[in-house]
Amino acid sequence: DAGITQSPRHKVTETGTPVTLRCHQTENHRYMYWYRQDPGHGLRLIHYSYGVKDTDKGEVSDGYSVSRSKTEDFLLTLESATSSQTSVYFCAISGTDAYSPLHFGNGTRLTVT
Amino acid sequence: AQSVTQLDSQVPVFEEAPVELRCNYSSSVSVYLFWYVQYPNQGLQLLLKYLSGSTLVKGINGFEAEFNKSQTSFHLRKPSVHISDTAEYFCAVSVDTGRRALTFGSGTRLQVQP
Repeated sequence: DAGITQSPRHKVTETGTPVTLRCHQTENHRYMYWYRQDPGHGLRLIHYSYGVKDTDKGEVSDGYSVSRSKTEDFLLTLESATSSQTSVYFCAISGTDAYSPLHFGNGTRLTVT
Repeated sequence: AQSVTQLDSQVPVFEEAPVELRCNYSSSVSVYLFWYVQYPNQGLQLLLKYLSGSTLVKGINGFEAEFNKSQTSFHLRKPSVHISDTAEYFCAVSVDTGRRALTFGSGTRLQVQP
């Protein structure tokens, strides 16, 4: 898995509670990404980071925030979870070139009840 | 902005038969193209990529794909599938300008039957 660890692997939470997912890499890659995977939608980009403290929004960023205080860690926070955020969340890393492939973690399955 | 369309959500096929998974993209600039595979309860794994040069790209596990610029397609093929190829397959595109992230298609579930 190219040195990517996501935690937790599974989480069940209630509507309205805050949730933080963690992605940790040991590859020293500059780019890190958060995607969500839902049936029929493939993977959709939530946020990505191109360096420490440098982040940008993806196509489905509403309701999510991110932080990157160290090269190796990229946190995804749901400030107030909703049932529509029930999904599988994947972290990915890549090199600096646009043709660099992404390497994915094993995902976090989040259920919001 | 670029987009990817995978034309089939599910493809059932018998073992040892050939298979083609279709992918079309749209972009106003040059693209880089990728195919990923996802086995159950796992992350995505790179199968192959097209960056430039030869339009026929060979990947892992006997898969290959052909880039067709005029048809804006990047179809994935395998001449003889195995049960172990049962998985979900994603086509993705990246461009060299703007946001540095892959745009994915909605996926094709390949179901190989004995």
